Amino acid sequence: EVQLVESGGSVVQPGGSLRLSCAASGFTFRSHWMTWVRQAPGKGLEWVANIKPDGTQKNYVGSVKGRFTISRDNAKNSLYLQMNSLRAGDTAVYYCARDNPGGFDLWGQGTLVTVSS
Amino acid sequence: QSVLTQPPSVSGAPGQRVTISCTGSRSNIGAGYDVHWYQQLPGTAPKLLIYANTYRPSGVPDRFSASKSGTSASLVITGLQAEDEADYYCQSSDSSLSGSVFGGGTKLTVL
Repeated sequence: EVQLVESGGSVVQPGGSLRLSCAASGFTFRSHWMTWVRQAPGKGLEWVANIKPDGTQKNYVGSVKGRFTISRDNAKNSLYLQMNSLRAGDTAVYYCARDNPGGFDLWGQGTLVTVSS
Repeated sequence: QSVLTQPPSVSGAPGQRVTISCTGSRSNIGAGYDVHWYQQLPGTAPKLLIYANTYRPSGVPDRFSASKSGTSASLVITGLQAEDEADYYCQSSDSSLSGSVFGGGTKLTVL
């Protein structure tokens, strides 16, 4: 089955760190750009970061630059998001998505990150 | 404030036609980047509804159509059904931000 499954979300204190994972299956992971998108409670979608198939190019939204790092392990068909210096404003459901020229055509179910003391 | 502007809400009765607009600028839609549309049903992950401005993925009913012109794009839903009640988002790329951008989302209510 073609799918993405996120994990790693939890409650973390402001200033803390968290690493999200996204396991891909059913397609050739190493051939695709991948993306993280987040959605704060009751709010809209926000693109966070994406990464080239070979991992050599990464792009970030301004609000997470210097704090978040996107990475991938093509041997493990996995995508990651290392989040440091977390703030209350980072509280959201985080989705990983397959990033094609024709849009984000495959999404995971999301994992909830709550930043609170 | 989202880079792409959508109306917060639209509504229509079953069987009617509704249009959702998405307004950008010369650094995104106006720069020639494709616009994609997503449907997010309550409590679920977004789903690709329209890609590359006008194309429907397999399985999306032809009641859904979209277009793009200049710095704007539009999603049209005809023959509204109760199951269409959802949030709809447009998305494009932006050269000044070196990444993707979403509209703020439009909540469709079927009366």
